[in-house]
Amino acid sequence: QTVVTQEPSLTVSPGGTVTLTCASSTGAVTSANYPNWFQQKPGQAPRALIFSATNKHSWTPARFSGSLLGGKAVLTLSHVQPEDEAEYYCLLYYVSAQSWVFGGGTKLTVL
Amino acid sequence: VQLVESGGGVVQPGGSLRLSCAASGFTFSYYDMHWVRQAPGKGLEWVAFIQSDGSKTNYVQSVKGRFTISRDNSKNTLYLQMNTLGPEDAAVYYCAKVRNPTIPCEYWGPGTLVTVSS
Repeated sequence: QTVVTQEPSLTVSPGGTVTLTCASSTGAVTSANYPNWFQQKPGQAPRALIFSATNKHSWTPARFSGSLLGGKAVLTLSHVQPEDEAEYYCLLYYVSAQSWVFGGGTKLTVL
Repeated sequence: VQLVESGGGVVQPGGSLRLSCAASGFTFSYYDMHWVRQAPGKGLEWVAFIQSDGSKTNYVQSVKGRFTISRDNSKNTLYLQMNTLGPEDAAVYYCAKVRNPTIPCEYWGPGTLVTVSS
């Protein structure tokens, strides 16, 4: 069973920078996993932020960026705003199983 | 783009339920779709995928043989037939629109809640 691992929780100060990571139990995360990132606030549906590891949707604020680093997918938030407090999920594709697996999520607190 | 799920509710263990997802604002028949669920207080779990013409489907292992994803392109509606429901299936179920193979969940519906309880 494939497991995708994220930090359970992180805390950042307003205006600061924070990095969230997404690791796969099968090995290095690559572009072939089509890494996607989502933001979910309490009581709301998730919202897509990043696709194909580095690409932003038209509605994604510029302070969000994605990358692949050290065998992981990475979501970086710069100049963090109070409204960025949310749960963040990564999603990876596994071609051998033709299935998608979400990470467990990272609860980001802006304090 | 608008996606609206319906059909959730309370069902007894071992029971069945069919969820629907009404799509509008885009040409439904052109796009693949997913179902994703979220148990209360838990993370997201991908459940099922269906290709735009319905010819290809795939499921998370835990629901294979119990859940069936389908669609009616003439009605712009996605379905999830859920059988032999157990407590582990209790969740908010979301439908999500695929943009292309690298963007699996571009837009999401608000979700519908399934409760499994006797």
